[in-house]
Amino acid sequence: NAGVTQTPKFQVLKTGQSMTLQCAQDMNHEYMSWYRQDPGMGLRLIHYSVGAGITDQGEVPNGYNVSRSTTEDFPLRLLSAAPSQTSVYFCASSATGTNQPQHFGDGTRLSIL
Amino acid sequence: GENVEQHPSTLSVQEGDSAVIKCTYSDSASNYFPWYKQELGKRPQLIIDIRSNVGEKKDQRIAVTLNKTAKHFSLHITETQPEDSAVYFCAVSRGDMRFGAGTRLTVKP
Repeated sequence: NAGVTQTPKFQVLKTGQSMTLQCAQDMNHEYMSWYRQDPGMGLRLIHYSVGAGITDQGEVPNGYNVSRSTTEDFPLRLLSAAPSQTSVYFCASSATGTNQPQHFGDGTRLSIL
Repeated sequence: GENVEQHPSTLSVQEGDSAVIKCTYSDSASNYFPWYKQELGKRPQLIIDIRSNVGEKKDQRIAVTLNKTAKHFSLHITETQPEDSAVYFCAVSRGDMRFGAGTRLTVKP
């Protein structure tokens, strides 16, 4: 099993550009989420999904869109990149239920110039 | 929303000493409390977790204690080793998972 796979690993964008960060899991997990990690601020929840067709906002959703058309995939879209979105982005998944451990991908390091 | 506070932000200990990291949370409906370890440039990885119906859990040199009344839980690492050096995150879940800001632990040989 590959677990949680994120692509790309690194990306540089110019301000105003849009892009999609990909996340796929092969564990048949219902719950998936996106976090951003900035120095000294831990992991902040952007969006999450409890199953296909269902998404909800986390702590810092502005500037990001998500969709969940399949159980396996949970892409994160930056609509118009801003320097404040420079960060490391982690996707995670867990089995159904509120008290299950999350499995993280390797992260995408994103720089906005 | 849930507010998770983690202390200290940095912790330095001598090899063989114990390390304790504490987290407090605000939402009494939270029912799952994991701890993650993150080495430089790597993904966070689960090291231990506890659910709200349990007060303490141990796994070799690592233990977690939970006080639901006071809304705090702690990570205890005994007999620390240099390979324990990393950033540790607590998290709290009541449907969505929120993380503390992290503790950078340095174990000096």
